[in-house]
Amino acid sequence: GQQVMQIPQYQHVQEGEDFTTYCNSSTTLSNIQWYKQRPGGHPVFLIQLVKSGEVKKQKRLTFQFGEAKKNSSLHITATQTTDVGTYFCAGPRSNTGKLIFGQGTTLQVKP
Amino acid sequence: DTGVSQDPRHKITKRGQNVTFRCDPISEHNRLYWYRQTLGQGPEFLTYFQNEAQLEKSRLLSDRFSAERPKGSFSTLEIQRTEQGDSAMYLCASSQDLVNYGYTFGSGTRLTVV
Repeated sequence: GQQVMQIPQYQHVQEGEDFTTYCNSSTTLSNIQWYKQRPGGHPVFLIQLVKSGEVKKQKRLTFQFGEAKKNSSLHITATQTTDVGTYFCAGPRSNTGKLIFGQGTTLQVKP
Repeated sequence: DTGVSQDPRHKITKRGQNVTFRCDPISEHNRLYWYRQTLGQGPEFLTYFQNEAQLEKSRLLSDRFSAERPKGSFSTLEIQRTEQGDSAMYLCASSQDLVNYGYTFGSGTRLTVV
């Protein structure tokens, strides 16, 4: 079945360092979504990418969707302690609204 | 409308008991989803509704799990004869009736089966 995989599983960085998480799907996606889950919280929608090769920015966060629409990345520039949490990518299964989530990348930021 | 509400926030039950969770989605959202999340994992799909119709149920779910959305508004998820392996966070989410919309998740119900 369709799978969404993320690497790395964990990342520890010093505050101010950059961070990147990568997402790969076993199938071509119509779109890719990114969510952030703070410790003890629930996933919160960050952004959706739809077009091949699309790049979107939210302040220090840069999201990319691969040309083949099977991979994506999230890059955070100059991390802050407020960036701590688990970042999930998710892609819809076929033409349903059902999202398949990756296992997430947990970011720890040392002040 | 303050978002997706779930009740209760926490539930501790003895093995073998039945439990029921409730989810109130955002009122304009036609789609409602149930996911389960265990520690260190991403949300795992359980089932989803479009209005009152249950469109898909995960093959991973046993017959002990059932969900309803009787009037296309709130939804309930029932687990019968709970087992320790059912211990998890149960997340409800809603979205608009299009593929390309993000989910709004509730705060979840944490189930502990002892």
